[in-house]
Amino acid sequence: GQQVMQIPQYQHVQEGEDFTTYCNSSTTLSNIQWYKQRPGGHPVFLIQLVKSGEVKKQKRLTFQFGEAKKNSSLHITATQTTDVGTYFCAGRNYGQNFVFGPGTRLSVLP
Amino acid sequence: ETGVTQTPRHLVMGMTNKKSLKCEQHLGHNAMYWYKQSAKKPLELMFVYSLEERVENNSVPSRFSPECPNSSHLFLHLHTLQPEDSALYLCASSQDLRGGNYGYTFGSGTRLTVV
Repeated sequence: GQQVMQIPQYQHVQEGEDFTTYCNSSTTLSNIQWYKQRPGGHPVFLIQLVKSGEVKKQKRLTFQFGEAKKNSSLHITATQTTDVGTYFCAGRNYGQNFVFGPGTRLSVLP
Repeated sequence: ETGVTQTPRHLVMGMTNKKSLKCEQHLGHNAMYWYKQSAKKPLELMFVYSLEERVENNSVPSRFSPECPNSSHLFLHLHTLQPEDSALYLCASSQDLRGGNYGYTFGSGTRLTVV
């Protein structure tokens, strides 16, 4: 079945440093979504990418969908303590349900 | 509030008990989901409902029994659970099975402890 992997599993950064998490699928995806889960909270939808090579920005967050539609990345510029949490990607194969990756847990040291 | 309300927030139950988790959404979404989130595993999809019809059952043990009486409500009935079933149970909804343009809206979850 479809597998979605994320690296790294954990990332500790100093406030102000950049952060990137990578998402890789074993199959070609129709679309990919990103979610953020704060400690003690629930996943919250951030964005969806659909087109090959697509890049979308939300303030300090930049999302990319790979040309082959099998990988994606989330980059945060100049992290803040409010960025703390676990970032999940969820990939969907055509006609299938979304499969969530294991997440990357981000810690930001002040 | 996220638009998806789950009750109770916390539940402790013995292995011989029967309890139910409730999920409610008034977002006009047509698809609803149950997920299990434990410390060691990613979000595990349990059940999917579309327009009140179950469309997926991901090899979930029969001690978990879902019910979707209408498009706004989803239940998860629990009986004779095991300690390893302790986890955060998340309900989610979406516009349709493709996820829509706004993804899944998750509830705050029920933290279940089986003793």
